[in-house]
Amino acid sequence: NAGVMQNPRHLVRRRGQEARLRCSPVKGHSHVYWYRQLPEEGLKFMVYLQKENIIDESGMPKERFSAEFPKEGPSILRIQQVVRGDSAAYFCASSPTGMATEAFFGQGTRLTVV
Amino acid sequence: SQQGEEDPQALSIQEGENATMNCSYKTSINNLQWYRQNSGRGLVHLILIRSNEREKHSGRLRVTLDTSKKSSSLLITASRAADTASYFCATDEGNTGKLIFGQGTTLQVKP
Repeated sequence: NAGVMQNPRHLVRRRGQEARLRCSPVKGHSHVYWYRQLPEEGLKFMVYLQKENIIDESGMPKERFSAEFPKEGPSILRIQQVVRGDSAAYFCASSPTGMATEAFFGQGTRLTVV
Repeated sequence: SQQGEEDPQALSIQEGENATMNCSYKTSINNLQWYRQNSGRGLVHLILIRSNEREKHSGRLRVTLDTSKKSSSLLITASRAADTASYFCATDEGNTGKLIFGQGTTLQVKP
């Protein structure tokens, strides 16, 4: 019974490249959340998706960042034209009901922009 | 806006001692959760306390919640070197499932 799977675990990109981060939720979970953790800080909410819909993207930067959760397949967080400030750990959480008490976190993807 | 604020930011103790971390938050909550994060790793859920609860225990962990002061504390008793990690409190925002995390307390337990 696999938990939330994120890949890759580590990603290195040069400035200007695109980064694609994948999150496979717990089987049967239709609610996905993305969080970003800058070095030495807590996690900050980015976006909440429910199958094929973006419910809340209030924490997403307005430019270069996008997220999707298609009917089939993993949720994708896409960062275009990465800059050094995008270097962070990106965590995905999934929930069966959209309740915070039932969220399971993945191990995260550590993005380094060089 | 940052919901949870934790103190101390860093704590260093000897094995066997107790460690207390505090968390304050700004808005009303349904529940508060504590997580642990080992260096460079993911989050491990430790304990959840609901807004109508005042205290909760789980093994060597004791969590208190004071909704009048909008604060919570996490006590780890008889600490071990393996408890070395960062500890975060997180509150829910409304019924969206979104969690608001504090900045965390970095705990070092010296053997």
